[in-house]
Amino acid sequence: QEQLVQSGAELKKPGASVKVSCKTSGYSFTGYFIHWLRQAPGEGLEWLGWINPYSGTTTYAQRFQGRVTVTTDTTIDTTYMHLSGLKSDDTAVYYCARRGRGAGIDIWGQGTMVTVSS
Amino acid sequence: DIQMTQSPSSVSASIGDTVTISCRASLNTGGYLNWFQQKPGQAPKLLIYGASNLHSGVPSRFSGSGSGTDFTLTIRSLQPEDFATYYCQQSYSTPMTFGQGTRLDIK
Repeated sequence: QEQLVQSGAELKKPGASVKVSCKTSGYSFTGYFIHWLRQAPGEGLEWLGWINPYSGTTTYAQRFQGRVTVTTDTTIDTTYMHLSGLKSDDTAVYYCARRGRGAGIDIWGQGTMVTVSS
Repeated sequence: DIQMTQSPSSVSASIGDTVTISCRASLNTGGYLNWFQQKPGQAPKLLIYGASNLHSGVPSRFSGSGSGTDFTLTIRSLQPEDFATYYCQQSYSTPMTFGQGTRLDIK
């Protein structure tokens, strides 16, 4: 069964960093890009960036450049999203998701709630 | 960045109705337009990719159409499980961008 399983909820203080993991299984890890996205409470979906697990090449949304880093560990079929300089408006559910056939985002992780509060 | 605008923002309908949701892009998306359904507390689910291709396992009452900058999601014969929020998304260029969502409620 193809699936993405994310790490658990995080509570962080302003200025701190968070690292969310996304363990994939059931398919060839290096064959598909992985997106990272987020959704603030009651809001829509926002794209942070993606990684090509085969080459390690990343692309990030301009507004997160310098704050977000996405990496992979191909030995355990896992990708990580690191976000630094956290602010209260970074409070959101963070998702990893697979870029599937036809460029649709076809498999999503269950989401990781990150709360930034003093 | 390509801006995505959905209409309406919300719509009320009854079981068995047909509903149409529109999505307009600020630039040509080359047909790289996807539709998602999201229910409260859940991750989004892919319905349509490439403007008109039904994702595996999605009921045939869902269909997508359009090209260039204007796209439509149609849901025929609404079922109780279809009441949710729907998003369009362009995957033509980075940053990937989404519409603001259309909430479909029971009338």
